[in-house]
Amino acid sequence: DVVMTQTPVSLPVSLGGQASISCRSSQSLVHSNGNTYLHWYLQKPGQSPQLLIYRVSNRFSGVPDRFSGSGSGTDFTLKISRVEPEDLGDYYCLQSTHFPWTFGGGTKLELK
Amino acid sequence: EVQLVESGGGLVQPGRSLKLSCAASGFTFSNYYMAWVRQAPKKGLEWVATISTSGSRTYYPDSVKGRFTISRDNAKSSLYLQMNSLKSEDTATYYCARYNNYFDYWGQGVMVTVSS
Repeated sequence: DVVMTQTPVSLPVSLGGQASISCRSSQSLVHSNGNTYLHWYLQKPGQSPQLLIYRVSNRFSGVPDRFSGSGSGTDFTLKISRVEPEDLGDYYCLQSTHFPWTFGGGTKLELK
Repeated sequence: EVQLVESGGGLVQPGRSLKLSCAASGFTFSNYYMAWVRQAPKKGLEWVATISTSGSRTYYPDSVKGRFTISRDNAKSSLYLQMNSLKSEDTATYYCARYNNYFDYWGQGVMVTVSS
């Protein structure tokens, strides 16, 4: 199985500041069709996960441009600029290139 | 508006069975793969099952293969998860999700507790 390693586990931030979350995979996430199926989710307290970024760098509908994704191969990053209160919660990366699909362990974004 | 509403959760004894349902609306259900994802209390997310548009293809991780069965009824815009031989480690909130090469919409989740 592909192991997805997210760091840090906890990320204290100040409102208006910037946050960066890393997600590394144990093998390349480039599919045989050339696409990379690495996605990012935010789970706010008491809510279901919501899609932020799909296929590395594409913002989902309604997601502010404060969120950006980058990376390739086995190394990926989610950046959040100008952090707002509604950005707090647990962030997860997901790979759907290889079965079984696997999530990272999560990063808790909290106030400093 | 896409809506996914799960039902059927509850308390069940180890070794028994339970069937979850997910009612979909706001999109053409038969055009999309669908999936179940679960989250144990205070833990991360785990993919549980995926089904193709027609239902002819299903996919599972080893942790549930042979015990869980995903199915769908396109005429009713409904997704199901039959869970047999339940174990304590199956205790989790189960989310129904639409799959579009990624899980783009999620339900609110339904809690399943496996305990004697």
